[in-house]
Amino acid sequence: DGGITQSPKYLFRKEGQNVTLSCEQNLNHDAMYWYRQDPGQGLRLIYYSQIVNDFQKGDIAEGYSVSREKKESFPLTVTSAQKNPTAFYLCASSADRSSGNTIYFGEGSWLTVV
Amino acid sequence: GDSVTQMEGPVTLSEEAFLTINCTYTATGYPSLFWYVQYPGEGLQLLLKATKADDKGSNKGFEATYRKETTSFHLEKGSVQVSDSAVYFCALRGETSGSRLTFGEGTQLTVNP
Repeated sequence: DGGITQSPKYLFRKEGQNVTLSCEQNLNHDAMYWYRQDPGQGLRLIYYSQIVNDFQKGDIAEGYSVSREKKESFPLTVTSAQKNPTAFYLCASSADRSSGNTIYFGEGSWLTVV
Repeated sequence: GDSVTQMEGPVTLSEEAFLTINCTYTATGYPSLFWYVQYPGEGLQLLLKATKADDKGSNKGFEATYRKETTSFHLEKGSVQVSDSAVYFCALRGETSGSRLTFGEGTQLTVNP
């Protein structure tokens, strides 16, 4: 089935560690996104990529890094510089940047700092 | 910049009641408008969308009409069910905001039997 796969579903990070969240899509979409959701709040954009080998910062990029080496993959690294990383992370994709195209979401990854 | 304002929640209704969740937006040009639904612990699912003024999006008994004159995209359902309990997000994808979605804060809906 076509879709967006995020892994792991649950991840625990110790202070000072970097962790990487995986996002893979088999929809042949050009554009991919990472959003952060804090409990009871809306979604904030971390990074997005409109094409392979290119990406842009969103509203809250500090303490995060991404890569887009393949069309189907857009991993997010939460670095030790991110002071409050505990949150629900959502990966998304869209056929292209046209405003009328739907952005589809994965099932999300829970990151907890221990 | 683009922004979306949703009615504050939470909203609690009895089964078979009428639902309205208000959504207004600010954007330049002609954005596309979306409603997403999120069930506990899950990602977001597209509920419905509208891409131009006066379009009506509909799905699973939910409806929303793109009103450019009032910059609104209110979500309605004539008779809610317990299974509709979730968080609902209004969002826009603008012509000038790159390819991103801009979300409202979300509205928690609880439907009691």
